[in-house]
Amino acid sequence: GAVVSQHPSWVICKSGTSVKIECRSLDFQATTMFWYRQFPKQSLMLMATSNEGSKATYEQGVEKDKFLINHASLTLSTLTVTSAHPEDSSFYICSALNSGGYNEQFFGPGTRLTVL
Amino acid sequence: GENVGLHLPTLSVQEGDNSIINCAYSNSASDYFIWYKQESGKGPQFIIDIRSNMDKRQGQRVTVLLNKTVKHLSLQIAATQPGDSAVYFCAERAGQNFVFGPGTRLSVLP
Repeated sequence: GAVVSQHPSWVICKSGTSVKIECRSLDFQATTMFWYRQFPKQSLMLMATSNEGSKATYEQGVEKDKFLINHASLTLSTLTVTSAHPEDSSFYICSALNSGGYNEQFFGPGTRLTVL
Repeated sequence: GENVGLHLPTLSVQEGDNSIINCAYSNSASDYFIWYKQESGKGPQFIIDIRSNMDKRQGQRVTVLLNKTVKHLSLQIAATQPGDSAVYFCAERAGQNFVFGPGTRLSVLP
């Protein structure tokens, strides 16, 4: 199956700093990528839909100025958590849509963010 | 803000038995459904999918059943193994977005 990677896998940062998370589709091109957030023992919550070459579409309640998304190429989308606070600590998961197939969605391994 | 935790329903089965995990979906216009497996600390892993023009699809040890009349999806795992222990999510595609169910934790007892 298609492979999606995320980097870093775990990051610990101080409150007030910004953290960038990368999502890459390794063996296919993805015009659309999704960013999810997952709290412990909860389901995935869609944060935004990232389309290559255009602005991301954010879900209701997600601050676009706090969670900056850039989808500059067909294989890379980045999520930057700006001025991170402890409540931003979570598991962030990206997925990429394989538009060349049946529009399957393939997930990255996730990034654990811990804000001190 | 306060985070209201949702405690995942848990299904416990004996090793070797069959498991059935159920999911109710919400959008009658959803045309594509996927089951994912998520192990602790990892991203979701695709298991099997089904399109709305089908009511059953079989994979290796897994079967997905779709009942559009009652908007119900189920995942059947045959001869459940310890490695099947994980959280299982169903997802429905409505338009471009995928909407995930709350998840079910499967525990395999020795």
